[in-house]
Amino acid sequence: DIVMTQSPDSLAVSLGERATINCKSSQSVLYNSDNKNYLSWYQQKPGQPPKLLLYWASTRESGVPDRFSGSGSGTDFTLTISSLQAEDVAVYYCQQYYSTPGTFGQGTKVEIK
Amino acid sequence: QVQLVESGGGVVQPGRSLRLSCAASGFTFSSYGMHWVRQAPGKGLEWVAVASHDGSDKYYADSVKGRFTISRDHSKNTLSLQMSSLRPEDTAVYYCAKGYSSSWLGYFDLWGRGTLVTVSS
Repeated sequence: DIVMTQSPDSLAVSLGERATINCKSSQSVLYNSDNKNYLSWYQQKPGQPPKLLLYWASTRESGVPDRFSGSGSGTDFTLTISSLQAEDVAVYYCQQYYSTPGTFGQGTKVEIK
Repeated sequence: QVQLVESGGGVVQPGRSLRLSCAASGFTFSSYGMHWVRQAPGKGLEWVAVASHDGSDKYYADSVKGRFTISRDHSKNTLSLQMSSLRPEDTAVYYCAKGYSSSWLGYFDLWGRGTLVTVSS
């Protein structure tokens, strides 16, 4: 199974500042035949189901604010919130869908400083 | 309205069985892979099982293989998870999630609100 490791486990950022979450996979999730990274990001607020933010590592889901962006390739990926808003307080998960089982990272909790 | 609604959760004794259901609406159910993902209290997300769009391909997490069975009923637009030989470590909120494509692989672009399963004597 591909192991997904996120860092940090939690971070506190001031409103309007940048938040950066890292995700590392134990093997590459870049599929050579289509040159796509099979990596997605989810946001989960307390008491709610997860919500898809990004797929193919950097494509924003419809309706997701453009302050959320994704980057990286192969085994190393980053989710960036360019200007943290109060409504962004949540736990963020990366997930690989390169192979079954589609494993998740352990989650990163984002709070307001 | 595009949505997934889970049902069937509850409190069950270790070793017993339980069947979860997920009612899909607002999209062509038979065109997409469908998944179960669970979340133990205060913990992260764990993928559980998937059935491809036509049910021909089914895969399971090692932690539930041989105990859980995923199935789909296209006449009722319903996804099910039959859980047997339940263990305390199966205690979790179980989410139904729609895959973005017809296959068993993929990211999840629609989630239900979940149903809580508690395994306890």
